[in-house]
Formats: sequence, structure tokens, C-alpha cells
Amino acid sequence: DVKVTQSSRYLVKRTGEKVFLECVQDMDHENMFWYRQDPGLGLRLIYFSYDVKMKEKGDIPEGYSVSREKKERFSLILESASTNQTSMYLCASTRGGSYGYTFGSGTRLTVV
Amino acid sequence: DQQVKQNSPSLSVQEGRISILNCDYTNSMFDYFLWYKKYPAEGPTFLISISSIKDKNEDGRFTVFLNKSAKHLSLHIVPSQPGDSAVYFCAARDSPSGTYKYIFGTGTRLKVLA
Repeated sequence: DVKVTQSSRYLVKRTGEKVFLECVQDMDHENMFWYRQDPGLGLRLIYFSYDVKMKEKGDIPEGYSVSREKKERFSLILESASTNQTSMYLCASTRGGSYGYTFGSGTRLTVV
Repeated sequence: DQQVKQNSPSLSVQEGRISILNCDYTNSMFDYFLWYKKYPAEGPTFLISISSIKDKNEDGRFTVFLNKSAKHLSLHIVPSQPGDSAVYFCAARDSPSGTYKYIFGTGTRLKVLA
């Protein structure tokens, strides 16, 4: 069964901490994405990557960075966590073409 | 500006009846549309898709309709079941950007009443 795995289901971090969210896919997909989901705002794209070491900003990249050193792994980094980054974070991947995304189970991050 | 809109934040339907979820978009260049279902504390799961060259796609109880002139798509679930209670997102592919980026709506929470 193909999978996108996010390393943590729930995280609680303190304001100012550097936070790493990890995502691994086993489908050999080139394209990977990080979204956050907030009530009333839907899914908003933070960053995406279409190849190893390549990255592009999405709609809300401020306060975030990403790393893609290997094809299967796409990491989201909160440089200095703030309370307004409390959210559900979703990683997704796709092979492209007419295929949609496969999502991970999500990481519920709370910043206190 | 929101390019993909789901104007109904919630919908309640009686079990066995039809659920109709709506989605509007603004960019006529979107070429592929998806519907996802999301349960709490889980990632979204793919439901059904439609290409812009079609006006209907059906998969079991789920049918998606696309009206390109109105820039509107809808998801019909017949008959609705309690297990269908979830948040539904529509998504449109931003193909002109040259990437495989999908833009998501804000979601509609469906509640199917037993």
C-alpha cells in the first residue's frame, strides 16, 4: 500500500523554538507539498518541491522553510515557532500528470 | 483572492437522501478538478476527479458535474450514508503555472443524519 508518512501526529512546541516536520513517501514521486489546514481557510500551500533540492514558495511561505535532500523526504521547518503557526500540517505527494495527491495523516502542531 | 470557493461551510442531509456539495472557481485555465474527503485528525483522501474536457464523472455513489461556462462544479452523493459525514474539499489544478499545484477550497462539512 503506497504511503505518505508524517513523523508525528501531535506536537507541542514553545514559542521561538525551531521545529522540524518530516514527511516521507514511498511512491517515487517527484512532486511533494506542504499545506496547512485551518478552520474556515481550507488547505493553504506553504511550499512545494518538484525535484530533489528544488523548492518553490506557495501562498503562505512566511516563517517557514523546507529541505529536500532526497527524493522521498520533504521537511518543513519553522524557523522560530509562533502561536499563529498552531495548525494542522499536511504533506502530500504526486507523480504529476492527471494524478491527484496522496496525503499523509497530518501533524497537529500546537505552539504555546 | 480565493480562486476556489466553497460557499457553504456546512450541510446536513438525511440518510438515504442526496447530498450536493458545490464549488466555484474563478480561473478558466484550471484543467483538472478533484474532490477530497477528510475525517478529523486524518489526511484528506481522494474521492473523484474530472477533467475540464468532460462535464460528468461517476464512481459508485459519487458523481461530479462540471459546468465550465459557469465555472462551477458539484459533487452528488446518492444515497447519503452516515459514514459520509466528513469535510469535503474541492481542488483545482493550476496547470498554467507549469507545476502540479492544486488550489483547494475552504471545505464543506457534511453531516448525514441517521
